[in-house]
Amino acid sequence: QVQLVQSGAEVRKPGASVKVSCKPSGYIFIGYYIQWVRQAPGQRPEWMGRINPNSGETRYAQKFQGRVTMTRDTSISTAYMELSSLRSDDTAVYYCARAPGVSGYFDYWGQGTLVTVSS
Amino acid sequence: EIVLTQSPDFQSVPPKEKVTITCRASQSIGSSLHWFQVKPDQSPKLLIKYASQSFSGVPSRFSGSGSGTEFTLTINSLEAEDAATYYCYQSSSLPLTFGGGTRVEIK
Repeated sequence: QVQLVQSGAEVRKPGASVKVSCKPSGYIFIGYYIQWVRQAPGQRPEWMGRINPNSGETRYAQKFQGRVTMTRDTSISTAYMELSSLRSDDTAVYYCARAPGVSGYFDYWGQGTLVTVSS
Repeated sequence: EIVLTQSPDFQSVPPKEKVTITCRASQSIGSSLHWFQVKPDQSPKLLIKYASQSFSGVPSRFSGSGSGTEFTLTINSLEAEDAATYYCYQSSSLPLTFGGGTRVEIK
């Protein structure tokens, strides 16, 4: 069955960076886009961007341009999302999700990774 | 960007009753509207794609309708396991955006 397993919770100080991993299983990694979404406490979910694991092509939400980097390692079928220059309002649960197309629905999601930014 | 407004924010409904959640878009998005369910400590789960298409394995009591700017998620005959928060999101244009969520409690 399709599963996306994310790395564990992280705590960072303001100004630091965090890198979250997402390891799918149950399907061919390069066949589907990986999308990243975050949800801060009490806020609605927020789309951060996507990566095409086959080509490595990325598209980021304008809000995160310059601070987010999405990569993948096809040798271990893992996607990564790195967010830099962290601020306290980056405290959120970060999700990866599989998407069958470049634009459309997300059919399977990871379990989420809590990132806490605190001094 | 497209703003999605969900209503209500919260519903407390007895088992076996019907639940209706509305999602309104700030501009027409055709049928590019999807619904998912979130329970504490679980991965979000896709329920409905493209406004009305049920995702594989989703119980038939979940259905979606609408197009353009107004969409509805219906849960017929609510069950205890349906206690969750439900979100809509749109894929018509970037950035993808989400509704504010509707928490459903079993009364």
